[in-house]
Amino acid sequence: AQSVTQLDSQVPVFEEAPVELRCNYSSSVSVYLFWYVQYPNQGLQLLLKYLSGSTLVKGINGFEAEFNKSQTSFHLRKPSVHISDTAEYFCASEVSGNTPLVFGKGTRLSVIA
Amino acid sequence: DAGVIQSPRHEVTEMGQEVTLRCKPISGHDYLFWYRQTMMRGLELLIYFNNNVPIDDSGMPEDRFSAKMPNASFSTLKIQPSEPRDSAVYFCASSSQGWPNEQFFGPGTRLTVL
Repeated sequence: AQSVTQLDSQVPVFEEAPVELRCNYSSSVSVYLFWYVQYPNQGLQLLLKYLSGSTLVKGINGFEAEFNKSQTSFHLRKPSVHISDTAEYFCASEVSGNTPLVFGKGTRLSVIA
Repeated sequence: DAGVIQSPRHEVTEMGQEVTLRCKPISGHDYLFWYRQTMMRGLELLIYFNNNVPIDDSGMPEDRFSAKMPNASFSTLKIQPSEPRDSAVYFCASSSQGWPNEQFFGPGTRLTVL
């Protein structure tokens, strides 16, 4: 069965510093990978997705993620964070075949002024 | 497009009362998902529908929970009777047929059971 592990439950970081949110997945078949962001008191919004092709994926708000098949990882990065990036971030995977997304437990990013 | 619409946005009720949460998916989407989010358990998939038919309800916690999708534009999640431990944010999401299954989430309903 597929699973998604987000290694950090909380990540505090100073404004304008770089950040990496880690995500590992397990799947023995082809997988699609997603990062969603949830701002306070809102629903989840898609940040970026990896389907195929280039392993470096760029998303909204300056975020990017790199798919690494050998390490089964899909870490999210941003070179310089803003206060407005404070939110919870969810990594999710889907294997081919119309199966539901499997979400990680989320990482709470807190940007400190 | 208006996105996924959920109502009510907030619900406060007393233990033992029936609660009905409503969801209107994005027009043309074939899949509809109900999730529950709590601090303790994170985001949990409760049930999902494909073309109005329930596909997997293994995440529904108890018989007190039921979900229906009478047509392609409307779904309900009902809790009867409600208990304080049902307090959570309930999200509805929808997606189109095929993969990848990019889901679009509603704003959620914050349920408080006193």
